Amino acid sequence: DARVTQTPRHKVTEMGQEVTMRCQPILGHNTVFWYRQTMMQGLELLAYFRNRAPLDDSGMPKDRFSAEMPDATLATLKIQPSEPRDSAVYFCASGYGYEQYFGPGTRLTVT
Amino acid sequence: GQQVMQIPQYQHVQEGEDFTTYCNSSTTLSNIQWYKQRPGGHPVFLIQLVKSGEVKKQKRLTFQFGEAKKNSSLHITATQTTDVGTYFCAGAVGTYKYIFGTGTRLKVLA
Repeated sequence: DARVTQTPRHKVTEMGQEVTMRCQPILGHNTVFWYRQTMMQGLELLAYFRNRAPLDDSGMPKDRFSAEMPDATLATLKIQPSEPRDSAVYFCASGYGYEQYFGPGTRLTVT
Repeated sequence: GQQVMQIPQYQHVQEGEDFTTYCNSSTTLSNIQWYKQRPGGHPVFLIQLVKSGEVKKQKRLTFQFGEAKKNSSLHITATQTTDVGTYFCAGAVGTYKYIFGTGTRLKVLA
């Protein structure tokens, strides 16, 4: 049963620290998405890739967030420096057709 | 900017009652998807609608896409406790780019 995996599942860090979240998409999927979910803003699309190329990262705060796909089995989302307002659940999703398969998420708390 | 709103925000129903959530977009959508997220879980894909006026059914769930392709609805007949969760619509505003609705949280009382 193929699944999207995300690490870490939980992360608590202090303001100003760098945070890196990792995602392993389902093998064979060529589209990868990063979403952020908060109670106030709901599910927001941060960035997405197709065949490892970034297609759109307009949803991402450019000054502190960066997303990359160093290879087909790994997508990363980095926040540097982190701020308390970045506290949220970050989901990675992958797809091949139109369906998006979500990972379990990384719950980030910035104090 | 582009927005996708859902109503109601919350819905509590008795088990066996019907439930409907409505999704409205500020712009025309090329297609719309529906997801379910259980408490503490992640969104799970339910269905995609593409054609104007399209209606699709999955057991007790009926999905509709409006004629103008700006609104959609999800109707659950005879809810069960397993239907508990938040239902999201996601409107396609570009190739592979989806804007998620605000979600409707469903609680089913046994």
